[in-house]
Amino acid sequence: AIQMTQSPSSLSASVGDRVTITCRASQDIRNDLGWYQQKPGKAPKVLIYATSNLHSGVPSRFSGSGSGTDFTLTITSLQPEDFATYYCLQDYDYPWTFGQGTRVEF
Amino acid sequence: EAQLVESGGDLVQPGGSLRLSCTVSGFTFSSSDMTWVRQAPGRGLEWVSYISSSSSVIYYADSVKGRFTITRDNAKKSLYLELNSLRAEDTAVYYCARRQGSPAPGYIYYYLDVWGEGTTVTVSS
Repeated sequence: AIQMTQSPSSLSASVGDRVTITCRASQDIRNDLGWYQQKPGKAPKVLIYATSNLHSGVPSRFSGSGSGTDFTLTITSLQPEDFATYYCLQDYDYPWTFGQGTRVEF
Repeated sequence: EAQLVESGGDLVQPGGSLRLSCTVSGFTFSSSDMTWVRQAPGRGLEWVSYISSSSSVIYYADSVKGRFTITRDNAKKSLYLELNSLRAEDTAVYYCARRQGSPAPGYIYYYLDVWGEGTTVTVSS
């Protein structure tokens, strides 16, 4: 199975900060990577699919980049509602695999 | 509005069985591919299983292969996950989610665009 290594596992930030989260795949997954946001007690929500495509309704402060094995989620100006846990998910091959998650906290 | 509602979670003893259900509304279930994802307490997300719209293609995570069975009933707009030989490490919130496809030249990108709120399975004696 493809392993996804996500970093950091947690980070402290303030409103207005630029935040970067990375995900590394154990093999080439082309552009088949998505990013999901999860708040405590809630189901995850998709933010980005296919590395850089913003899902409908997701604010433009979220962006994704990368290809092959290295991917990045960037939040350009952190808002109060962005404090959450973020996961990458490779959908290149089954079994799909998530990164370990990055908790963004105040 | 697309909605998914899971049910069937419960407290069960190790070695026991359970059947989870996911009932959908607001979209054409019969043409939608579906997945199950779980999350153990305080842990990250784990993809569990996938079933295509016609049930012709099915995949499982290695951790559940041979113990869990995914099925669907398109007439009832329902997705199921049969959990057998349950272990303590199967304790988790189980989410159903729709796999959406986004066409690109010569390719289709997939993602999980609609999720239920989850149902809790606790395996303990």
